[in-house]
Amino acid sequence: LAKTTQPISMDSYEGQEVNITCSHNNIATNDYITWYQQFPSQGPRFIIQGYKTKVTNEVASLFIPADRKSSTLSLPRVSLSDTAVYYCLVHGGSQGNLIFGKGTKLSVKP
Amino acid sequence: DTEVTQTPKHLVMGMTNKKSLKCEQHMGHRAMYWYKQKAKKPPELMFVYSYEKLSINESVPSRFSPECPNSSLLNLHLHALQPEDSALYLCASSHPGQTLLGYTFGSGTRLTVV
Repeated sequence: LAKTTQPISMDSYEGQEVNITCSHNNIATNDYITWYQQFPSQGPRFIIQGYKTKVTNEVASLFIPADRKSSTLSLPRVSLSDTAVYYCLVHGGSQGNLIFGKGTKLSVKP
Repeated sequence: DTEVTQTPKHLVMGMTNKKSLKCEQHMGHRAMYWYKQKAKKPPELMFVYSYEKLSINESVPSRFSPECPNSSLLNLHLHALQPEDSALYLCASSHPGQTLLGYTFGSGTRLTVV
């Protein structure tokens, strides 16, 4: 399993764009990158997933450089409700299970 | 139905009690999972069921006993727990072997062992 490294915590203010970077130097050719969001006392929730380049959905964007050794989750114009822990996971598409790393605790302030 | 439902939401039990946690999904997922999450820590995988058969047991103590009676239900039987077993227990489901399609997690059972 490719190990992931993320900042332990980040602070932001409402309306700002937040970028959380995850390092995964040992990512394998068939690995994908997925981000989950977790609010206190709730289960993690799928946010976005990608293999390379850029992926965008209604919630976030995911930027993956050509070497795929890192990825950046971008949250546009965060609000207080985006305060949560964000997990970066690297996993094979058709094998293995989701193993969570330490995650990044994002605190959004008014 | 796109939810995983866990009951109870909260449970307090003594070290000599026997209790069960329940998890139910109706998304047609044939893989179900138990995770344990201590405060301020990431979820840790405990058990994996694939097509109602236990496929992974991550060296979990025998005081935790999983059961998958059918494709929609997953139970976790608890017996003789220790205070350090207090945690949020999360159930999840997915299509087997398809991490690409994501896991759907329940809201968890907050377990306190006294």
